[in-house]
Amino acid sequence: AQTVTQSQPEMSVQEAETVTLSCTYDTSESDYYLFWYKQPPSRQMILVIRQEAYKQQNATENRFSVNFQKAAKSFSLKISDSQLGDAAMYFCAYYSGGSNYKLTFGKGTLLTVNP
Amino acid sequence: GAGVSQSPSNKVTEKGKDVELRCDPISGHTALYWYRQRLGQGLEFLIYFQGNSAPDKSGLPSDRFSAERTGESVSTLTIQRTQQEDSAVYLCASSSLTGGTGELFFGEGSRLTVL
Repeated sequence: AQTVTQSQPEMSVQEAETVTLSCTYDTSESDYYLFWYKQPPSRQMILVIRQEAYKQQNATENRFSVNFQKAAKSFSLKISDSQLGDAAMYFCAYYSGGSNYKLTFGKGTLLTVNP
Repeated sequence: GAGVSQSPSNKVTEKGKDVELRCDPISGHTALYWYRQRLGQGLEFLIYFQGNSAPDKSGLPSDRFSAERTGESVSTLTIQRTQQEDSAVYLCASSSLTGGTGELFFGEGSRLTVL
């Protein structure tokens, strides 16, 4: 069974600085998708960034980028120029696609942004 | 609608009572998921609906939990004889594709508190 591990329950960063959130996963699949979701206090989960495992290039979305290390099964999220609005719970998620349509989530990392 | 809508936003009930939670997915989305999120935890898969196919109920924790969906529209999650351990946020998500890239669109959740 796939598992997703986020080893940092909490992280903090100063406004305008850079922070990296860690995620590792376990799978025997060769093709899959990885996601970072953000959950602000409003509770609504919002997709931050997505990475297809067959793509070697790391995904980027504005200030958000990932470091995808397929062999190491690592998928970290880097937030550059952190803003107060980035404060939220961040969840890493794995999806194998095909007949397995469930996303497997990590337990989350609570990010605090200090002014 | 523009997004996934869930109601009620908050529900406080007494142990032993039944509760019903509602989810209205994004129009046209054939896939619908229910997840449970306990305090400080990740998301726990409960049930998945895809079109008119038989739902995947493998994540329902006990026979006190049930869910229905009318076609490709509204879904209700019912918890009978609620217990204190049922206290959690119940998140609904929808997706436009079976499998696909796995991107889910979430509602804001229903926070259930069982006294």
